Amino acid sequence: QVQLQESGPGLVRPSETLSLTCTVSGGSISSYNWNWIRQPAGKGLEWIGRIYTSGRTNYNPSLKSRATLSVDTSRNQFFLRLTSVTAADTAVYYCARDRSSGFYWGQGSLVTVSS
Amino acid sequence: QSALTQPASVSGSPGQSITISCTGTSSDVGGYNFVSWYQQHPDKAPKLMIYDVSNRPSGVSNRFSGSKSGNTASLTISGLQAEDEAEYYCSSHTRTSTVIFGGGTRLTVL
Repeated sequence: QVQLQESGPGLVRPSETLSLTCTVSGGSISSYNWNWIRQPAGKGLEWIGRIYTSGRTNYNPSLKSRATLSVDTSRNQFFLRLTSVTAADTAVYYCARDRSSGFYWGQGSLVTVSS
Repeated sequence: QSALTQPASVSGSPGQSITISCTGTSSDVGGYNFVSWYQQHPDKAPKLMIYDVSNRPSGVSNRFSGSKSGNTASLTISGLQAEDEAEYYCSSHTRTSTVIFGGGTRLTVL
């Protein structure tokens, strides 16, 4: 059973770069497509982007090119970088694996943007 | 891209059936059989309940079922139980190969 675990700084300063890691266990990262999704406190879900097994990426256009997804197959990890963050980027960030059109989710990692 | 439209809340008594709708456009819900549904309890990660409109992952109760007609997808929960009380979200693939979510529906079991 594939399990996902997010990790990264819980606090990021405004205008800096948010960096998160998702560690995959119980399966090969090369076998699936991977996503990042976020949820501000008390609000709904927002898809950030996907990285395919081919390495191709696709992003939510609302993020205006601030997001970058990448994979390290040797470590069975994938990553999110979000540049020029503001308070509006404060959220729980989830990594998730594709299950056809659905997602299997990690536990989530709270990131707060504040000075 | 606009969020899919879900009712803010629905409610039902134990044993009853309820249906949650998820309305999009021909560029997302109506254009593909790639609608999924998630259950989220407070302070927990979402759980996949239905994928590809009507498929249940292993381990999900057959009380949960999904369907679609035109630009509207639906999640039906039959034999409502107290543990079903949660927030429910739909999602859909879009014509630009992105994913959009609904705003969420709060299910209250009376």
